[in-house]
Amino acid sequence: DIQMTQSPSTLSASVGDRVTITCRASQSISSWLAWYQQKPGKAPKLLIYKASSLESGVPSRFSGSGSGTEFTLTISSLQPDDFATYYCQQYNSLWTFGQGTKVEIK
Amino acid sequence: QVQLVQSGAEVKKPGASVKVSCKVSGYTLTELSMHWVRQAPGKGLEWMGGFDPEDGETIYAQKFQGRVTMTEDTSTDTAYMELSSLRSEDTAVYYCATPRKPQLYWYFDLWGRGTLVTVSS
Repeated sequence: DIQMTQSPSTLSASVGDRVTITCRASQSISSWLAWYQQKPGKAPKLLIYKASSLESGVPSRFSGSGSGTEFTLTISSLQPDDFATYYCQQYNSLWTFGQGTKVEIK
Repeated sequence: QVQLVQSGAEVKKPGASVKVSCKVSGYTLTELSMHWVRQAPGKGLEWMGGFDPEDGETIYAQKFQGRVTMTEDTSTDTAYMELSSLRSEDTAVYYCATPRKPQLYWYFDLWGRGTLVTVSS
């Protein structure tokens, strides 16, 4: 099974900060990676698919990059609505989520 | 508008089984590829299994094999996830999720709101 490892587990940041979250796969997954945002009590929301494609309706401050085993999610200027937990997910071979990164207010 | 409407919260005793439903509206179930993801309190997302469009079969995460059964009733466009031999560690929110176009991509852009299953004696 493919394992997904996110870092950091928690990130403290301020409004306006540039934020980067890393996701590593235990083997190559090409670009078959998605990023989700989840707020407390809510279902996950798709942000990015195929490593770097922005889902319709998602603000352009979110971007994704990477291929193979290393991926990043970047928020260019953190907004109050962005404080949440973020998950990566590979869909190259079955489906696996990373353990999540909580973005909290500094 | 496409929606996945899940059944209500459940409380079960250890050793019992639970069956959670996910009704599709705005699409037919056969157009989708339903999966189930769970989230224990304060923990991350865990894929349990789902329909693999590549080979046309339901596949289960190894962790749940033998204990989970995912079925579909196409006459009512409802998917089901049944988990047996429940233990306290199965206390979680269970989500159904699917690609809107599984013939084109395999990430989940459609989610139910979740069903809380509590396992307690």
